[in-house]
Amino acid sequence: DVKVTQSSRYLVKRTGEKVFLECVQDMDHENMFWYRQDPGLGLRLIYFSYDVKMKEKGDIPEGYSVSREKKERFSLILESASTNQTSMYLCASSLLEALNSPLHFGNGTRLTVT
Amino acid sequence: AQTVTQSQPEMSVQEAETVTLSCTYDTSESDYYLFWYKQPPSRQMILVIRQEAYKQQNATENRFSVNFQKAAKSFSLKISDSQLGDAAMYFCAYVGRGSQGNLIFGKGTKLSVKP
Repeated sequence: DVKVTQSSRYLVKRTGEKVFLECVQDMDHENMFWYRQDPGLGLRLIYFSYDVKMKEKGDIPEGYSVSREKKERFSLILESASTNQTSMYLCASSLLEALNSPLHFGNGTRLTVT
Repeated sequence: AQTVTQSQPEMSVQEAETVTLSCTYDTSESDYYLFWYKQPPSRQMILVIRQEAYKQQNATENRFSVNFQKAAKSFSLKISDSQLGDAAMYFCAYVGRGSQGNLIFGKGTKLSVKP
């Protein structure tokens, strides 16, 4: 089975801190995604990457950046955390070539910014 | 732009009964897939079922089946013989050929199962 691992399940940070959310997948998937999940808003795409060192903005990239130095690892960076970035963050991966390839999700990181 | 709409924020079903969750989508693409994902309280998103737009036959996975109405752009999920473990958030999702695997999700439906 595909395993997508997010480094932290819960995280509490202070306003203005630089925050790193790490995600690792073990199935050699090309695609990796970062979503933000908020009640009543569903999942919104922050950034995605279809190859090493490649990144594409999603629907809500403001205030975030990403890094993909290795195929298996996709990091989400909050340069200066703000309270409106308090949310659940989900990482996912999938195969590039298969349109019907389902997303495989990590367990999520619940980030609280105080 | 493609959109996915789930009009039922919350639904409730009695254990052993059947429930249908609604999903509509909007697209001009002809080649696409539709998915239903389940997110239980443990937060792990799990694929429930998928449907290819070219297939007229509705997908079925055990107690889960879909009613895919392509012309109406409707993709509902039917859960038969509901179990307590079916309680979760359910998300409908769309992916088109030109999207590089980027799924578009609905806002979700929270399903409660009453014993």
